[in-house]
Amino acid sequence: EAGVTQSPTHLIKTRGQQATLRCSPISGHTSVYWYQQALGLGLQFLLWYDEGEERNRGNFPPRFSGRQFPNYSSELNVNALELEDSALYLCASSLDQRNNSPLHFGNGTRLTVT
Amino acid sequence: GNSVTQMEGPVTLSEEAFLTINCTYTATGYPSLFWYVQYPGEGLQLLLKATKADDKGSNKGFEATYRKETTSFHLEKGSVQVSDSAVYFCALSAAWGKLQFGAGTQVVVTP
Repeated sequence: EAGVTQSPTHLIKTRGQQATLRCSPISGHTSVYWYQQALGLGLQFLLWYDEGEERNRGNFPPRFSGRQFPNYSSELNVNALELEDSALYLCASSLDQRNNSPLHFGNGTRLTVT
Repeated sequence: GNSVTQMEGPVTLSEEAFLTINCTYTATGYPSLFWYVQYPGEGLQLLLKATKADDKGSNKGFEATYRKETTSFHLEKGSVQVSDSAVYFCALSAAWGKLQFGAGTQVVVTP
């Protein structure tokens, strides 16, 4: 069974640009989560999508947005990039919404903003 | 609000030593608790979980027991290997779709 896949692996952008990150969940998983892992800040919850809808959002500004497609894959968009957006962005999927369903993570997209 | 506190790393120990990583939490209700591991250059992998008080999660020689009275979920392994070198994250799930992670503890095992 293929795991969660993310693309690209690395992304280099300049301040003010937009970045688009992509995620494909495990087959059969309908929930997709995005986390930011910035140096020194740990893992911060960004967004949760399920069945095409945004279900929950972390404490991030509106320039962080995303969507989930009918095939349950997801995009994370970051507009007006700032230097502090440099981080590893992790996508995860789960089989259902129960709080004891574990998340399965991809290997992440390393975003560098210069 | 919910929070997870882990012991700070790095934790450095020799092969075959005993490993303990402390984790305590604050949460309303009855959260599920998890340990995730992140190997260099990779995403997070679920190591073990416990969904109610007194449950013991175990995997690959690692164990953790959900202690409601002390709000703790300490990770232990009796004999570590070099391949156990990684960052370990304690996490709780108490709200729909949201895992709350601790800061992570880096473990370095030397031969």
